[in-house]
Amino acid sequence: EAQVTQNPRYLITVTGKKLTVTCSQNMNHEYMSWYRQDPGLGLRQIYYSMNVEVTDKGDVPEGYKVSRKEKRNFPLILESPSPNQTSLYFCASRGGATMIEQFFGPGTRLTVL
Amino acid sequence: RKEVEQDPGPFNVPEGATVAFNCTYSNSASQSFFWYRQDCRKEPKLLMSVYSSGNEDGRFTAQLNRASQYISLLIRDSKLSDSATYLCVGVYTGGFKTIFGAGTRLFVKA
Repeated sequence: EAQVTQNPRYLITVTGKKLTVTCSQNMNHEYMSWYRQDPGLGLRQIYYSMNVEVTDKGDVPEGYKVSRKEKRNFPLILESPSPNQTSLYFCASRGGATMIEQFFGPGTRLTVL
Repeated sequence: RKEVEQDPGPFNVPEGATVAFNCTYSNSASQSFFWYRQDCRKEPKLLMSVYSSGNEDGRFTAQLNRASQYISLLIRDSKLSDSATYLCVGVYTGGFKTIFGAGTRLFVKA
């Protein structure tokens, strides 16, 4: 089954404790992206990757890191999480720049205390 | 000003009604536009693309007006199952940077 998976789905952590949210897709997609969704603000793009080893900042990259060492994986790293990073996070992938549809993972609900 | 703006609603309509959502965008570098549907904090899913020539898919019609920087979605004969949040999305030239509107909530009631 073609899909985007994220882990964990739910996470409660404390300020300053490094964490990684994994994202994996099995569709051989070139393009992957991370978003956060907050009430009243919609989805905001954190980082995106056009291919292996190629990443760029979205609208809200502060406090986040990403890496793209393999085509299928695009982890999101919070080196020192803060309460303002409490949010619902979605990973997405797409076949390429000319492909239309982004496929989203099920989301990761993160709470930073 | 947000780059993509939508009326947050909620829109409360009876079954069978026709409802229209509007969206405006401020950055003319946005090349492509889409409507996504999101159910109750689940992942967004593509509803349809938006073209200047219009795009119709069953009960759904989307339209793009580049001169006015305005996008619309029309839902005819609303069903209970149409209740969701509808997200207006712009993709920048190059196809990588993506801007979502905050979404418009629709409730269809029996």
